Amino acid sequence: GQNIDQPTEMTATEGAIVQINCTYQTSGFNGLFWYQQHAGEAPTFLSYNVLDGLEEKGRFSSFLSRSKGYSYLLLKELQMKDSASYLCAVKGAAGNKLTFGGGTRVLVKP
Amino acid sequence: DAGVTQSPTHLIKTRGQQVTLRCSPKSGHDTVSWYQQALGQGPQFIFQYYEEEERQRGNFPDRFSGHQFPNYSSELNVNALLLGDSALYLCASGIVTSFHEQYFGPGTRLTVT
Repeated sequence: GQNIDQPTEMTATEGAIVQINCTYQTSGFNGLFWYQQHAGEAPTFLSYNVLDGLEEKGRFSSFLSRSKGYSYLLLKELQMKDSASYLCAVKGAAGNKLTFGGGTRVLVKP
Repeated sequence: DAGVTQSPTHLIKTRGQQVTLRCSPKSGHDTVSWYQQALGQGPQFIFQYYEEEERQRGNFPDRFSGHQFPNYSSELNVNALLLGDSALYLCASGIVTSFHEQYFGPGTRLTVT
């Protein structure tokens, strides 16, 4: 089976940095995804990691350690529009099925 | 180029009724996956369709069924609705040969009373 854990909620100040951790236990692994989801909207793709290391994309970076079953999403220079839920998801051994964590709600304060 | 579209946007049904939700994938995509997202939780995988066949299924009862049409669009059917089926139903489309390209539609908010 698959188990994915991430914090429920985080609060940060505009302009600051926030790191959202995700730990996973899976029977197979073919990549880890991060999605952003604003309330009432569809999840939008942020990043994909399949090899160990850091992937940087503008203000957002994602890190993966397969041996530790661990990933984080780093949000830099926070903006008010970054207030949203951030979903960690793992793709298993076969097919396109994504197993999601419960999501981390990030609240950015002025 | 339209992205993934879903209809209807919102739906209210009564316990015991049946519902059909529809999804049109992004142009060029050939797979459709359906997810159920309860309030405050992450999406849960229901099933995936490719070449008009169910290819993978999550831990959902047989009351949940689907279909994919030759034009790659898809339907999700839920029979004998329960209060616990109230959720946002998300459709995601992708390309079977592309490992990580998967785009979500805006979802259908189903309320069962």
